[in-house]
Amino acid sequence: DQQVKQNSPSLSVQEGRISILNCDYTNSMFDYFLWYKKYPAEGPTFLISISSIKDKNEDGRFTVFLNKSAKHLSLHIVPSQPGDSAVYFCAAHSSNTGKLIFGQGTTLQVKP
Amino acid sequence: DAGVIQSPRHEVTEMGQEVTLRCKPISGHDYLFWYRQTMMRGLELLIYFNNNVPIDDSGMPEDRFSAKMPNASFSTLKIQPSEPRDSAVYFCASSYSTGPPSYEQYFGPGTRLTVT
Repeated sequence: DQQVKQNSPSLSVQEGRISILNCDYTNSMFDYFLWYKKYPAEGPTFLISISSIKDKNEDGRFTVFLNKSAKHLSLHIVPSQPGDSAVYFCAAHSSNTGKLIFGQGTTLQVKP
Repeated sequence: DAGVIQSPRHEVTEMGQEVTLRCKPISGHDYLFWYRQTMMRGLELLIYFNNNVPIDDSGMPEDRFSAKMPNASFSTLKIQPSEPRDSAVYFCASSYSTGPPSYEQYFGPGTRLTVT
């Protein structure tokens, strides 16, 4: 039972354009959401997060949007750069277990 | 700080053999997590420790898997006997807390396990 889903395994965008990565969740007890970025042969690294009481958080080129009614969040990267090419994992924090639940990941390729 | 350290980085073994993966968390972190990454399921939490005590091992797939944390600076994940379906990348992560304000976990580079 996948509580956090990233339905797009891959995404390809042109340098300078917007990248939008999506994530859906099913558990209403999630109180915090995070995005991690992973390069090949490295571990995931934290990118940006958002509390469930907010609907937007921005950090430079990265913005995360949360739609609680739809149980959906998205990561926007503007403008996209070739160095952004990586696997992006969406994660949700469970307030009753203290665990992070990760999605399957989306591979982003930014073409020069 | 050197970050989370994992060894070995790659492990190739034959079915039935014992495999031991090792992890050194970031100094001062109270929580340690073991994850497994597969294409189908992404990152799955196997087990996590708080102050060296196992808190939740509900993600451990079978009795063939076991994990220990004898002290604050070392943990092992053991698979005995190993099977081909155990082939995956295994990550160790550590954090200050599992609650606010820090939910962030710091991951090691992973161990790529191949069981033939």
